[in-house]
Formats: sequence, structure tokens, C-alpha cells
Amino acid sequence: KAGVTQTPRYLIKTRGQQVTLSCSPISGHRSVSWYQQTPGQGLQFLFEYFSETQRNKGNFPGRFSGRQFSNSRSEMNVSTLELGDSALYLCASSFDINEKLFFGSGTQLSVL
Amino acid sequence: EDKVVQSPLSLVVHEGDTVTLNCSYEVTNFRSLLWYKQEKKAPTFLFMLTSSGIEKKSGRLSSILDKKELFSILNITATQTGDSAVYLCAVEYNYGQNFVFGPGTRLSVLP
Repeated sequence: KAGVTQTPRYLIKTRGQQVTLSCSPISGHRSVSWYQQTPGQGLQFLFEYFSETQRNKGNFPGRFSGRQFSNSRSEMNVSTLELGDSALYLCASSFDINEKLFFGSGTQLSVL
Repeated sequence: EDKVVQSPLSLVVHEGDTVTLNCSYEVTNFRSLLWYKQEKKAPTFLFMLTSSGIEKKSGRLSSILDKKELFSILNITATQTGDSAVYLCAVEYNYGQNFVFGPGTRLSVLP
């Protein structure tokens, strides 16, 4: 069974631009979560989608948004990029609640 | 505020040593506690704990949860250089896949 796939692996953007990251969950998994990981803050929860609906949201500004498609694939968008948005963005999937998360290898975003 | 604290934050040991990593938490409506190993990018799943006092074991790794005292420990016996990684503790709370992660313990195992 294929694992969680995230694209692209690396991304370099400049301040003010916007970016879209993609995540394909494990086949059959309906929940997709996004996390931001930085050396100083660790893993911070962004949001979780289940069956195309945002079910939970972390404490991030509105510049961070996401969506989930009918095939459970998810995208995350960050608008008006800031230097502080440089981080590893991890996507995780699971079948439903009370299930372990399976992580992708992440997208390393650098904002210059 | 929901939070997870891990200690120590960093640990250096020699091969063959036994280590104990700690995770304490304060969350609303606890559901489960998970341990992950992160070597490069993707954290990989180790254990999921939901009940107090029941040890979960996988090879040289074991973990146990104490829901009364709100903590968990991860033990690694006879450490090997391949155990070098960041070990993350995550707690699921409330409804839905709501997880809060601890800062991680960076373990370095020297030959």
C-alpha cells in the first residue's frame, strides 16, 4: 500500500507570494491533517479535513487555508508569505478518529 | 491551554545503554497518546496508548501510560546507533483528529 505522498518536496518562494502544497493520503484514509514543523516551535497543528469538511483548526492566521477533494486528496494554501512561514509542512492521514497518524515526508518551504 | 511536555529535550548515550524518555500532558478530554520516531522528515509510528498500566512492547522498545498522573514513558533497551532520532509524543484530545505534539527528545546514540 502506498504511503502518504506530498508534493513538492522542496519549495523556495519570496515574501508576498502564495504557495499551494499537495497531499495524497493512504488509500482508504478519509482524514487528512496538516502540521507545520519548525526548530523553535516543534510540530504545530494547522487543520484537519474529513470527508471534504474541515473538522478541526489550529491557531494559525487566515493566510493558511486548505481543502479536501472527494478522493480525499488535500491541498494547503498559504497566501502573502512571510519569512516566518519557512518550515517543514507535514501531512498526515488516518482512517478516522482514534486512529494513528501516518505522515508524509513533508514539503520543505523556504521563504526568502 | 492544552500542552505536552517532554524530557529530556536532548540525550546522548552509548550503544548498549538503556534510556527512558518522558512525556507529560495537560489536555481536555484525553483520548490517546502516541509515540513517534522522526529520523529525517516523516515521523514513523511507534505506539498508541489509551489505557493506563498496560505496557506496549515492540522489540527493544516499550511504553506505558499513567492516566492518573498524566504521563507516559518510552523505554529503549540495548540502544543502537540506529535509534538516534527525535522521539515525539503526541496526545489526541477532544473530538476528531486533534493532536498536540511535544517538542521531542533528541536521542543520540554513540558507537
